[in-house]
Amino acid sequence: GQQVMQIPQYQHVQEGEDFTTYCNSSTTLSNIQWYKQRPGGHPVFLIQLVKSGEVKKQKRLTFQFGEAKKNSSLHITATQTTDVGTYFCAGGYTGFQKLVFGTGTRLLVSP
Amino acid sequence: GAVVSQHPSRVICKSGTSVKIECRSLDFQATTMFWYRQFPKKSLMLMATSNEGSKATYEQGVEKDKFLINHASLTLSTLTVTSAHPEDSSFYICSARGHVGTSGGLAYEQYFGPGTRLTVT
Repeated sequence: GQQVMQIPQYQHVQEGEDFTTYCNSSTTLSNIQWYKQRPGGHPVFLIQLVKSGEVKKQKRLTFQFGEAKKNSSLHITATQTTDVGTYFCAGGYTGFQKLVFGTGTRLLVSP
Repeated sequence: GAVVSQHPSRVICKSGTSVKIECRSLDFQATTMFWYRQFPKKSLMLMATSNEGSKATYEQGVEKDKFLINHASLTLSTLTVTSAHPEDSSFYICSARGHVGTSGGLAYEQYFGPGTRLTVT
């Protein structure tokens, strides 16, 4: 079955430092989505990538979808304490309604 | 944006009783709803997918007789945990997917409810 792995599991940075989480699927994806879950909260949709090699930016966040559509990354420039939370990628596969969530990367930002 | 509500937000029940959790899409029609379970500091584990008017599709290892899912309308799905035991204690989250917006470009996006924390004593 499809599996989605994320690294690192956890990262602790100082405010102002950059942060990147990587997502890798065992099989080719039709699309990749990214979600953020704050401590005690529920996942909130950030973005969806569909095209091979696609790059999208949201302010300090940059999302990339690999050329082979099997991996993706989320990069945060100059982290802020409000970036704290767990970032999940979620893979969509052709012919399947469901998303397969990655293992998540927990980000802690110290002021 | 689209809003999904879940009720109750927290529930404590005794072992052997049943608990029903409701998931509602408030401002859009959810053709598909998903039920997840999440353990502390872990990822979301999909339990089942339900389409309005049809039987839910359960993931491997999820007992369909224990976790009853009903998707009676385009705005409501329910999860009933039957004969709950302490090991069923968890955070249960629903999500809904439908055609939101004018272009339909977000058709695959899932909108999550706030979750229900179930504690079985």
